[in-house]
Amino acid sequence: RKEVEQDPGPFNVPEGATVAFNCTYSNSASQSFFWYRQDCRKEPKLLMSVYSSGNEDGRFTAQLNRASQYISLLIRDSKLSDSATYLCVVKPPGGYNKLIFGAGTRLAVHP
Amino acid sequence: EPEVTQTPSHQVTQMGQEVILRCVPISNHLYFYWYRQILGQKVEFLVSFYNNEISEKSEIFDDQFSVERPDGSNFTLKIRSTKLEDSAMYFCASSRAEANTEAFFGQGTRLTVV
Repeated sequence: RKEVEQDPGPFNVPEGATVAFNCTYSNSASQSFFWYRQDCRKEPKLLMSVYSSGNEDGRFTAQLNRASQYISLLIRDSKLSDSATYLCVVKPPGGYNKLIFGAGTRLAVHP
Repeated sequence: EPEVTQTPSHQVTQMGQEVILRCVPISNHLYFYWYRQILGQKVEFLVSFYNNEISEKSEIFDDQFSVERPDGSNFTLKIRSTKLEDSAMYFCASSRAEANTEAFFGQGTRLTVV
């Protein structure tokens, strides 16, 4: 089983749509969870951290289910500028902030 | 806004040559990392560096790779004898502290081995 697994997409959605991405991770002792965004040929940038209680940042909502080892990201009211690859990222136990990346889910928002 | 800077943005080298990729982490950060991303694949951890020594490394980071912090600002990744399969985007990252803090990534160096 892959350490972090994501649906590669692409998700093609119209502006204004709501879209959800899912991710599973294999190490149940993982400590921290993040969603990063990566534009084509650019560096990953932190979108948001994911907490057990769930958290929201504007149009973005992240959820964590530790029992199922499952992370989700919901984007409401999609904008053209949301088009990117969304990376599910997990920090395994121990280590020095080493991050394990999923392969990413590509989102294309069209007019 | 402080940022991680990497040079060069693109490096082309012949197979078997040595390359040094350079990074200037954010000034008050203590933890430094190198990641790589082969075209079309996921971002992979290579090595982390703290207190002037390697704190963790992946299986990818074999004897051909080394890292160094030669002065107070630069952080370098050296590949001693490049192979075709070393062609990738190499990202440097830094963070303030170990647990649950954001890692900031540089814009990357695209290494092409021919």
